[in-house]
Amino acid sequence: GENVEQHPSTLSVQEGDSAVIKCTYSDSASNYFPWYKQELGKRPQLIIDIRSNVGEKKDQRIAVTLNKTAKHFSLHITETQPEDSAVYFCAALPSGGFKTIFGAGTRLFVKA
Amino acid sequence: KAGVTQTPRYLIKTRGQQVTLSCSPISGHRSVSWYQQTPGQGLQFLFEYFSETQRNKGNFPGRFSGRQFSNSRSEMNVSTLELGDSALYLCASSLDGLAEQFFGPGTRLTVL
Repeated sequence: GENVEQHPSTLSVQEGDSAVIKCTYSDSASNYFPWYKQELGKRPQLIIDIRSNVGEKKDQRIAVTLNKTAKHFSLHITETQPEDSAVYFCAALPSGGFKTIFGAGTRLFVKA
Repeated sequence: KAGVTQTPRYLIKTRGQQVTLSCSPISGHRSVSWYQQTPGQGLQFLFEYFSETQRNKGNFPGRFSGRQFSNSRSEMNVSTLELGDSALYLCASSLDGLAEQFFGPGTRLTVL
């Protein structure tokens, strides 16, 4: 069935460094790839998304890249800050639609 | 515009009981999805409703069911509760189920 694998499960970086989280999806017809951030005790919130007809998208310090051939997509956070500490989930919407498959999450720690 | 709301926020039940959770989407959103969140499994898709119709479902036993009303509010029901059903249950709404989802605060269910 559909699957999204996410790595690493935990990531610790120094404030100001960059962080990269990688995901792989199984359904080659997936066409929508959102990233959600969940702070401790709070609900997940969308931080950036990308559709299959685009290779890269940026929003200030956050960027997402998509490689459809390899079925990989990645989240890049530059100049990390302590408030970036949270769990990040990648997700993919398979071709059948209406069923978002989430990765297992990456817990990011940004040390001041 | 009011966000997604879920009731109740906390529930404690015993094995064998049943439970009903409620979700009110953002006004104008017709798609409601339900997820089970556990520490080790991330966000697992339960089902998605649009205009009172279930359009997709995840790999959960038949004890998990849901419905959607004409005002887009949705309920999920879990019958014959098991210890393993203890989790945070999140609902999320979107305009059409094909883009950004807005999550509710969740209902934390504890089964004793």
